Amino acid sequence: GAGVSQSPSNKVTEKGKDVELRCDPISGHTALYWYRQRLGQGLEFLIYFQGNSAPDKSGLPSDRFSAERTGESVSTLTIQRTQQEDSAVYLCASSLESINTGELFFGEGSRLTVL
Amino acid sequence: GQQLNQSPQSMFIQEGEDVSMNCTSSSIFNTWLWYKQDPGEGPVLLIALYKAGELTSNGRLTAQFGITRKDSFLNISASIPSDVGIYFCAGPHANDYKLSFGAGTTVTVRA
Repeated sequence: GAGVSQSPSNKVTEKGKDVELRCDPISGHTALYWYRQRLGQGLEFLIYFQGNSAPDKSGLPSDRFSAERTGESVSTLTIQRTQQEDSAVYLCASSLESINTGELFFGEGSRLTVL
Repeated sequence: GQQLNQSPQSMFIQEGEDVSMNCTSSSIFNTWLWYKQDPGEGPVLLIALYKAGELTSNGRLTAQFGITRKDSFLNISASIPSDVGIYFCAGPHANDYKLSFGAGTTVTVRA
């Protein structure tokens, strides 16, 4: 597709279960970001991938969170042993390179609800 | 991290009114960005500012990069119902690629 695609769009899970969220960036975009958006709050940086460089994982809130990216394509964000405070919208974004112009292209997000 | 403070947090406006919101930071930014998020969508870039003092327009939107490089404002003129949404200011960390986002200004337009 033309834009950033995320799946699932909605996920309801029970506390303690693992979840996997997927992001398909715009073709040709080498930079990929994951952000978390809690209700009524701004976007919180989680992780950044740029080409074949080591990812910047400095925003991951705990070791229950991990992310992988295959080359310059699909990325998956995994949350293990989910907790209620993990409930949020998880947004993926891509850009041609590292931010020079500041334009990130966001997907519609994956809304996670942990019961 | 570098914190961006947006105000107001929310606003209800009458269709046709002009809207103004701003964003301040304790740190200097070399780029200021304004994004809009429609309900159920991801944020979309509206305006990018790259130079202190710069004033940039995009249709009914006007944004300025403050001289101190610690603030920016966004104006929307003659608001219409589709202006509803959350407006975020954002800026990259110095020599970095991560964008910091403000908490957003939620705009609701009364027809």
